[in-house]
Amino acid sequence: KAGVTQTPRYLIKTRGQQVTLSCSPISGHRSVSWYQQTPGQGLQFLFEYFSETQRNKGNFPGRFSGRQFSNSRSEMNVSTLELGDSALYLCASSLQGRGAGIFSTGEQYFGPGTRLTVT
Amino acid sequence: TQLLEQSPQFLSIQEGENLTVYCNSSSVFSSLQWYRQEPGEGPVLLVTVVTGGEVKKLKRLTFQFGDARKDSSLHITAAQPGDTGLYLCAARLIQGAQKLVFGQGTRLTINP
Repeated sequence: KAGVTQTPRYLIKTRGQQVTLSCSPISGHRSVSWYQQTPGQGLQFLFEYFSETQRNKGNFPGRFSGRQFSNSRSEMNVSTLELGDSALYLCASSLQGRGAGIFSTGEQYFGPGTRLTVT
Repeated sequence: TQLLEQSPQFLSIQEGENLTVYCNSSSVFSSLQWYRQEPGEGPVLLVTVVTGGEVKKLKRLTFQFGDARKDSSLHITAAQPGDTGLYLCAARLIQGAQKLVFGQGTRLTINP
């Protein structure tokens, strides 16, 4: 079974631009979460989508947005890029969905990430 | 302040030595996961622990979840250079929730 794929793997943008990152989850997985990883802050939760709906959101400004398509693929968008947005953006997919049950541990499987550099 | 505190942040030891990495919090978690991440790659799930006091073994790696489900440890026996990487603990506060809270990680280097 293919793993989580993310495109592009590397991206260089300038301040003020916008960027769209893509994530394809493991086949059959319906939940997609996005994380930002930086040396200073570590891994920070951005948001989670399930069945095309944002189910959970982290503490990031509104410049960070996302969406999920009917085939569970997800995109995240960052508008008006700032230097501090330079990071590794990770996508994780999970089999767990609504009604999965209280004993479900919902393991998340990560993609390789997109390395975004803002200059 | 970090919800999950990992220690040590950096560890460099010789091949063949044993080591323990800790993940602590004042909060109770429904489940806790350990990941290993190599440069340029995403974290890879190693194990999930759910029950207080639970111990899981994965070859030379032993994972333990504290009785009160507030802390966890990862013990590596006879470390190998291939164990080098960033070890992350991540916890789920609420059962069924997808949001994972991560520790800052322990960067482990095993010298041949």
